[in-house]
Amino acid sequence: QKEVEQDPGPLSVPEGAIVSLNCTYSNSAFQYFMWYRQYSRKGPELLMYTYSSGNKEDGRFTAQVDKSSKYISLFIRDSQPSDSATYLCAIGTQGGSEKLVFGKGTKLTVNP
Amino acid sequence: NAGVTQTPKFQVLKTGQSMTLQCAQDMNHNSMYWYRQDPGMGLRLIYYSASEGTTDKGEVPNGYNVSRLNKREFSLRLESAAPSQTSVYFCASSEGGRPTYEQYFGPGTRLTVT
Repeated sequence: QKEVEQDPGPLSVPEGAIVSLNCTYSNSAFQYFMWYRQYSRKGPELLMYTYSSGNKEDGRFTAQVDKSSKYISLFIRDSQPSDSATYLCAIGTQGGSEKLVFGKGTKLTVNP
Repeated sequence: NAGVTQTPKFQVLKTGQSMTLQCAQDMNHNSMYWYRQDPGMGLRLIYYSASEGTTDKGEVPNGYNVSRLNKREFSLRLESAAPSQTSVYFCASSEGGRPTYEQYFGPGTRLTVT
């Protein structure tokens, strides 16, 4: 079993839709959770990070972590065409190595 | 403040040729990383350097070597390129330690090996 599983999509939604992106992970030692956004032919950039179970909001974006189920989600409200990108979850352990394990990414297209 | 820069942006090699991908960061970060990104495979760590003078293998190190030249620069060398090394290569850096483990990525190098 891969350490991090992410549905690659692609996902196509109309403008204004609520988008849900998800990852599951297998190692309970993972303690911090990130979402990166990658536009076409660009490097990934950090969108959100969290260290605890529960929800974290930033504008139209909400990151949700359920450590008991080893499940993380990113919700995008009122999606815009500018949100069209590939979204990668990234998970790591505190202390020691600072390596991140990335999901394969979900390609999202928001249609006007 | 340029962040993370990578050269070259594009490269075509013939099988067996060698080349070095260059990466530099101006954020005074301690840790630096090299990833490759392939369709359907996501980002995979090749090598990383937790601090100046140290390097460690990642998930897919075979066929690559790295040099942490100083705190700013981290290069990736392909000694004898193979078609399987056709990929997009990203360099990243991070401050190291709390409060965030955010990695900052460069724009990538698109490498084709024929």
